[in-house]
Amino acid sequence: EIVLTQSPGTLSLSPGERATLSCRASQSVSSNYLAWYLQKPGQAPRLLIYGASSRATAIPDRFSGSGSGTDFTLTISRLEPEDFAVYYCQQYGSSPITFGQGTRLEIK
Amino acid sequence: QVQLQESGPGLVKPSETLSLTCTVSDGSISNYYTSNYYWIWTRQPPGKGLEWIGYIYNRGRTKYNPSLESRVTISVDTSRNHFSLKLSSVTAADTAVYYCARAVDSNPFDVWGPGTLVTVSS
Repeated sequence: EIVLTQSPGTLSLSPGERATLSCRASQSVSSNYLAWYLQKPGQAPRLLIYGASSRATAIPDRFSGSGSGTDFTLTISRLEPEDFAVYYCQQYGSSPITFGQGTRLEIK
Repeated sequence: QVQLQESGPGLVKPSETLSLTCTVSDGSISNYYTSNYYWIWTRQPPGKGLEWIGYIYNRGRTKYNPSLESRVTISVDTSRNHFSLKLSSVTAADTAVYYCARAVDSNPFDVWGPGTLVTVSS
């Protein structure tokens, strides 16, 4: 099983700032099948990035993903108020599919 | 845009079987014998992270999380446009929000239901 470790656990920033979230895998992610999701309280996760760097439908271009192998990054270039939430990475290249433990992005 | 909706009991007694269904709004599940859709269950204990339970695809083939495999069954009922989850011998550790979702081919979960909270308690 691939274990995904996200850092930091909590990130405190202000609107307009740049956010960098990390996801490290315990072994190489097959075909860079790494996704990022955003989850707001009481809601289902929403797909942001797939294939490590491709934006999902209707996702603003301030969200970008990068990385390969075992190290991946989600960058939000300029934070909007609606971006403050919990972010999860997920690898879907190997079974079992696994998620990171999440990074909470909070308003400073 | 397809929509998914979970339904089922919100309270289940310990040692019993949790049963949930997920209704697919656009009828696309009726093509599951030939389509590239994966019909997925995932759960999230209160205040915790996400855990993939399993999926069904392509003529009824299934894949389950090994941590739950001995207790899980996922099935499809195309006549009712839904797929189902059964989790047997539940304990308090199975208390969670259960989400159904969909994926296409080798892609992540692009459509999710809103989730339903299932509490295991006597």
